[in-house]
Amino acid sequence: EIVLTQSPGSLSLSPGERATLSCRASQSISNNIAWYQQKSGQAPRLLIYDASNRATGIPARFSGSGSGTDFTLTVSSLEPEDSAVYYCQHRYSWPLSFGGGTKVEIK
Amino acid sequence: QITVKESGPTLVKPTQTLTVTCTFSGVSLSADGVGVGWIRQPPGKALEWLAYINWNYEQRYSSILGSRVTITRDNSKNQAVLTVTDMDPADTATYYCAHRQDASGSHYRFWFDSWGQGTLVTVSS
Repeated sequence: EIVLTQSPGSLSLSPGERATLSCRASQSISNNIAWYQQKSGQAPRLLIYDASNRATGIPARFSGSGSGTDFTLTVSSLEPEDSAVYYCQHRYSWPLSFGGGTKVEIK
Repeated sequence: QITVKESGPTLVKPTQTLTVTCTFSGVSLSADGVGVGWIRQPPGKALEWLAYINWNYEQRYSSILGSRVTITRDNSKNQAVLTVTDMDPADTATYYCAHRQDASGSHYRFWFDSWGQGTLVTVSS
């Protein structure tokens, strides 16, 4: 089973700052990673798929990168509405799995 | 536009069986490439993938619930159903279902692109 480890567990940043979230896979998964955003009390929403493609309607300040075992979600300039927990998920093989999440707080 | 809605009990007793139903609109579950996943989230914790069924009735399961979980599909009602036997307080969670499209050429191929709002299930006597 592939384990996804996200870091940091949480971060607190001010509006306009850059957020860098990491997701590391326990084995190489090519570009088979997605990122989801989950705001408080809401269902997750697909943000980035295939490591670097933004889903429809996702602002350009969100970007994904990486391949193999190391992946990054970057928010170039944080907005107050970006306060959420962000999860990575792989689809490389069964079983699927999610990372433990990174909570982003906007000061 | 795809909409997804889960329904089921909010409270179950330990050892009972949980049945959660997921109803889809805007997509036919019997269409080529369409799949349904179940994911749960214990209070304050991370997402956990549980199970998946595709248009060909192929099923995949996580090891989290072992042999206690079954996923089925009812095409006539355009629904997917998750069944978990022998429920335990540790199974208290919000249970989500989500749409996945596996067909070649799909925009978000292989990803959970539409989610229900989730249903919170508490296991307590």
